[in-house]
Amino acid sequence: EIVLTQSPDTLSLSPGERATLSCRASQAVASDYLAWYQQKPGQAPRLLIYGASSRATGIPGRFSGSGSGTDFTLTISRLEPEDFAVYYCQQYGASPLYSFGQGTKLEIK
Amino acid sequence: EVQLMESGGDLVQPGRSLRLSCAASGFTFDNYAMHWVRQTPGKGLEWVSGITWNSDTSAYADSVRGRFTISRDNAKNSLYLHINSLRDDDTALYFCAKGRSGTNSYYFDFWGRGTLLTVSS
Repeated sequence: EIVLTQSPDTLSLSPGERATLSCRASQAVASDYLAWYQQKPGQAPRLLIYGASSRATGIPGRFSGSGSGTDFTLTISRLEPEDFAVYYCQQYGASPLYSFGQGTKLEIK
Repeated sequence: EVQLMESGGDLVQPGRSLRLSCAASGFTFDNYAMHWVRQTPGKGLEWVSGITWNSDTSAYADSVRGRFTISRDNAKNSLYLHINSLRDDDTALYFCAKGRSGTNSYYFDFWGRGTLLTVSS
């Protein structure tokens, strides 16, 4: 079973700062199979990044993804007020077919 | 605009059955695999089940296999999740999610807002 562990659990930053969120897998994940989502209170998750580094349609350029193997990173270059939310990484693979990290809450400092 | 609208969530007693529905619009429904994902405060996001575009293949999380059945009606642009023998730990917000292709979906590119299922006596 592939377990995804995100760090930190909570990240407190100010608008304009750079955010770096980590997702570590218990086993290697193919880059094609790693995605990131943003979720705001009361809303559905929104796809940000797929294939570890490709931005989904309509996602601003300040969001970028990187990494390979067991270590992946979501970076938000300059935080906007609307970026404060919870972020999840997700992998596709065998057993379970899909799994998610526990989430990182990005809060305003 | 892609829209997914879930319904059917309710307060239900343990042991009963329930069917969740998802109405899709804004895309060619029968071209894409579809999934159910649930969310709880304690366990976070958990993929529950998925079905290919033509219903040829369905898959389930170990935690629900044997009690949950996913199905779709392409003529009605609708996805369903039938749940038997409801348990307290099925309590969750259930999301309908669109896969990126008709078969292997590495990720979910659109999600509905969810329907809340509460299992309690």
